[in-house]
Amino acid sequence: EIVMTQSPAILSVSPGERATLSCRASQSVSNNLAWYQQKPGQAPRLLIYDTSTRATGIPARFSGSGSGTEFTLTISSLQSEDFAVYYCQQYNNWPPWTFGQGTKVEIK
Amino acid sequence: QVHLVESGGGVVQPGGSLRLSCAASGFIFSGYDLHWVRQAPGKGLEWVAFIRYDGSSKYYADSVKGRFTISRDNSKNTLYLQMNSLRAEDTAVYFCAKRGGSYSWDYWGQGTLVTVSS
Repeated sequence: EIVMTQSPAILSVSPGERATLSCRASQSVSNNLAWYQQKPGQAPRLLIYDTSTRATGIPARFSGSGSGTEFTLTISSLQSEDFAVYYCQQYNNWPPWTFGQGTKVEIK
Repeated sequence: QVHLVESGGGVVQPGGSLRLSCAASGFIFSGYDLHWVRQAPGKGLEWVAFIRYDGSSKYYADSVKGRFTISRDNSKNTLYLQMNSLRAEDTAVYFCAKRGGSYSWDYWGQGTLVTVSS
């Protein structure tokens, strides 16, 4: 089973600032990595798939990068609606499909 | 517009059973793989089960293998999760999710809460 590890657990950022979230896989997942955003009481929403492709309707301030075992989600200028929990997920080696434990982006 | 709507959650005693449903619309249901995912209160996301678009393959998390059964009825555009021998640690919100063009999951339902408690 591939273990996904996200850091930091909590990221405190001021609106308008840049946020950088990290995700590490215990073995290579090629570029088969997605990022999801989840707000309280809501379902997760797909942001990025295949490491760097934005899903339909996702603003350009969200970008993804990386390959193999190290991945990054960058939010270039945080908006109020971006404060949420973010999960990375690998879909290279399955089953099981595995998620990181999440990074909470909170207002500084 | 894609919609996934889960139902069937509730409170059940340990050892009991429950069947969840996920009604789909807005896409060709029979053409897509589907998943069940759960989230315990205050915790992260845990994949539970997968079913191929035609029902030919099914996979389960070790934590539910032998107790849960995933199925689908392509004539009714509905996904199911039969949960037997429920335990307290199965308490969670259960989401259904649709596989997208890549192997990521592009649409999720709003979830249904299952509480296992005496």
